[in-house]
Amino acid sequence: EAEVAQSPRYKITEKSQAVAFWCDPISGHATLYWYRQILGQGPELLVQFQDESVVDDSQLPKDRFSAERLKGVDSTLKIQPAELGDSAMYLCASSLAESTDTQYFGPGTRLTVL
Amino acid sequence: QKEVEQNSGPLSVPEGAIASLNCTYSDRGSQSFFWYRQYSGKSPELIMFIYSNGDKEDGRFTAQLNKASQYVSLLIRDSQPSDSATYLCAVNWSNYGQNFVFGPGTRLSVLP
Repeated sequence: EAEVAQSPRYKITEKSQAVAFWCDPISGHATLYWYRQILGQGPELLVQFQDESVVDDSQLPKDRFSAERLKGVDSTLKIQPAELGDSAMYLCASSLAESTDTQYFGPGTRLTVL
Repeated sequence: QKEVEQNSGPLSVPEGAIASLNCTYSDRGSQSFFWYRQYSGKSPELIMFIYSNGDKEDGRFTAQLNKASQYVSLLIRDSQPSDSATYLCAVNWSNYGQNFVFGPGTRLSVLP
């Protein structure tokens, strides 16, 4: 069964350092999402791609976060510099395209900022 | 501001009972509604989705949607300890593609 891949699974870093997360969606899925989930809360959308284009990045803290999906397949989310409040689970999801399609989530990257 | 609200719980039910999870949403134009289950430390996994008013059943799970009341619920029949997890309600308000807003989740505990 096809799955969304993410790496690394866990990342510990010190504040002010740079971190990067990678996501490979299910083959053929045009839409890719990055979410941040703080413990005890629901996932919050950071950025949504349709192929290589950003559809929604209104909740992305652009002073420190960046995301790209250059060839419309895999994607990278970067944080520079990391802050203590960035500690969270970063989830990647993908879907075909239509509003009724299911979003499939990857295993997530657990980030701890010290 | 599009909001999705859920009772954070924990909701405790005995094994074999019916668990009822509720979700309300603010945007009357919302199109589709999804229930995800999330075990501690894991990523969300889809349980079921519903688009039309009424009930939709899938095994032990039934989703109920009332667009007039802006209310969607999930019933779990014959609850099992393995159903203990956080249940996330997600609302898609877009006709074109997906724009999900997730609720905070309800933590369910099924007691053996």
